[in-house]
Amino acid sequence: AQKVTQAQTEISVVEKEDVTLDCVYETRDTTYYLFWYKQPPSGELVFLIRRNSFDEQNEISGRYSWNFQKSTSSFNFTITASQVVDSAVYFCALSEASSNSGYALNFGKGTSLLVTP
Amino acid sequence: DAGVIQSPRHEVTEMGQEVTLRCKPISGHNSLFWYRQTMMRGLELLIYFNNNVPIDDSGMPEDRFSAKMPNASFSTLKIQPSEPRDSAVYFCASSDQPPESHSGANVLTFGAGSRLTVL
Repeated sequence: AQKVTQAQTEISVVEKEDVTLDCVYETRDTTYYLFWYKQPPSGELVFLIRRNSFDEQNEISGRYSWNFQKSTSSFNFTITASQVVDSAVYFCALSEASSNSGYALNFGKGTSLLVTP
Repeated sequence: DAGVIQSPRHEVTEMGQEVTLRCKPISGHNSLFWYRQTMMRGLELLIYFNNNVPIDDSGMPEDRFSAKMPNASFSTLKIQPSEPRDSAVYFCASSDQPPESHSGANVLTFGAGSRLTVL
């Protein structure tokens, strides 16, 4: 069963628009961790953020912000004033304390974001 | 640190040939993961090592796949014989948290990936 759902397969915006990438997760654990990674066209996976299940405080880092809501099992990612360099595939991932795989990441299918000038 | 180093970056081979992918984790990291990325299945965990020992290989698709970690600074993923459906990008990642730790989940640092094409 898919533990992380990113319903938006592709999003296209014009530069300077705000865009929100949705992520819904599923777990029975009380202790878990949520991540966002970015995969630019060059192909590497770049870590953006980690949140644990006990900290629902939203976080802002420059133009990036994250909204974690346990009540809806969501961990959404917003890019404010998008730029062409934000074009990439963005992955949401879940890590569970009960995992046999040492906090390995369960990834969603990714959302491909295209920002055009 | 140079990060996680993977080689080769690109590999093109013919069906039936043996393929060996290599990974050098970040020095000091004791957890190593192999992932496979395809369009159809996304990013899938293949195998997880802790302190050079394979802990979970339930993601290895079949017996044609094998992975080893002979020491803390080197791991290999081998496919023998290779098939066209094995074409994918294979990522290695490392982290510095043991599984018993409760201090928080590790952040996985990924290598640049090895793009495999099996003709």
